[in-house]
Amino acid sequence: TQLLEQSPQFLSIQEGENLTVYCNSSSVFSSLQWYRQEPGEGPVLLVTVVTGGEVKKLKRLTFQFGDARKDSSLHITAAQPGDTGLYLCAGAGGGSNYKLTFGKGTLLTVNP
Amino acid sequence: SAVISQKPSRDICQRGTSLTIQCQVDSQVTMMFWYRQQPGQSLTLIATANQGSEATYESGFVIDKFPISRPNLTFSTLTVSNMSPEDSSIYLCSVSGGLNYGYTFGSGTRLTVV
Repeated sequence: TQLLEQSPQFLSIQEGENLTVYCNSSSVFSSLQWYRQEPGEGPVLLVTVVTGGEVKKLKRLTFQFGDARKDSSLHITAAQPGDTGLYLCAGAGGGSNYKLTFGKGTLLTVNP
Repeated sequence: SAVISQKPSRDICQRGTSLTIQCQVDSQVTMMFWYRQQPGQSLTLIATANQGSEATYESGFVIDKFPISRPNLTFSTLTVSNMSPEDSSIYLCSVSGGLNYGYTFGSGTRLTVV
């Protein structure tokens, strides 16, 4: 069974601060996906990283996939209240393994 | 990416009754996935629904409790049967855009069993 350890579980910061969320596993994933979920909605895909060492940027969000494809991080620069939400990482096993393994999530609150 | 319409968005049900949740996709997809999410928690896969065959259930979930229908490539239902308060949760359907392209989720059904 593939497990994803996500940390921190809760994060409350002030507007303008930077933060990093981590997602770690002992298993190798073919890709790793990051989602953000707001109350009353389903998760929305932010990014998919596929190649070991890959870095992707989405405005103030920077995503990195570890060289060994076992871990990933999400860094937010100058957080804003609109960034508030539940951030979920999810790993895809690859090949015929179509299932996603989700981390426990990071509940981020950005206070104005 | 696909667009999923899920309903109902929320319901309050009496224990012992059943609720059927529907998901309609705007394109044909091979597999649809059903998840359960405790409020503020992560997602747990209940089952994978393929058109024309029985759903594949994950450990801890059984067909008698969570029967699934998949009559065609754009539609699926999940029924939560003989509900108890422990079934209170958010239920989500999802489709894949391919392993390297992410999944699309419905907006969820918030179920409260009283």
